[in-house]
Amino acid sequence: DAGITQSPRHKVTETGTPVTLRCHQTENHRYMYWYRQDPGHGLRLIHYSYGVKDTDKGEVSDGYSVSRSKTEDFLLTLESATSSQTSVYFCAIRTQGGTEAFFGQGTRLTVV
Amino acid sequence: RKEVEQDPGPFNVPEGATVAFNCTYSNSASQSFFWYRQDCRKEPKLLMSVYSSGNEDGRFTAQLNRASQYISLLIRDSKLSDSATYLCVVNLGDNFNKFYFGSGTKLNVKP
Repeated sequence: DAGITQSPRHKVTETGTPVTLRCHQTENHRYMYWYRQDPGHGLRLIHYSYGVKDTDKGEVSDGYSVSRSKTEDFLLTLESATSSQTSVYFCAIRTQGGTEAFFGQGTRLTVV
Repeated sequence: RKEVEQDPGPFNVPEGATVAFNCTYSNSASQSFFWYRQDCRKEPKLLMSVYSSGNEDGRFTAQLNRASQYISLLIRDSKLSDSATYLCVVNLGDNFNKFYFGSGTKLNVKP
């Protein structure tokens, strides 16, 4: 258990509304990642962070922003949700000194 | 071109069968390689890392072929509980340690 908690676990929101997903970790890991998972596409990297206030875009970053003001929290914001952002969102961390990624339990987001 | 490609399957096998999955990766600079298992509606979980010399963990054997840029996973004596989607993952090992995932191969083990 890498101590990763995602919230909320499920959310239904309306098109055009802002949405923020939270990833919280308790073990001071430096690297954190946000992925989305859709049928036929696997997991695709949205944004990642390599330290407090250090973030960068992944392959599918359009329509998303992130913030990391504390080591333990990595927030993903959909500025104006669209139906194409209906997906399962996973947060992941890489452990210090390790090479593997460990995942939170995921957030199922539905945009109607 | 995708960084990591896998046959989506499904692979339908009887209990006790041996089944093998392959995946290919496009970036020759990739440094670390993994197989993850994902159950329906759950998060991916690390199954095993893949080392250049090959490695085994019980009924599972992973191989890496850097020259041909592919990774394999062999499951012997399949169990019903092995039914899941298996994800191939690579990491470039650069400063940002980004992970790239295949779309997954679905395995159904039947009685």
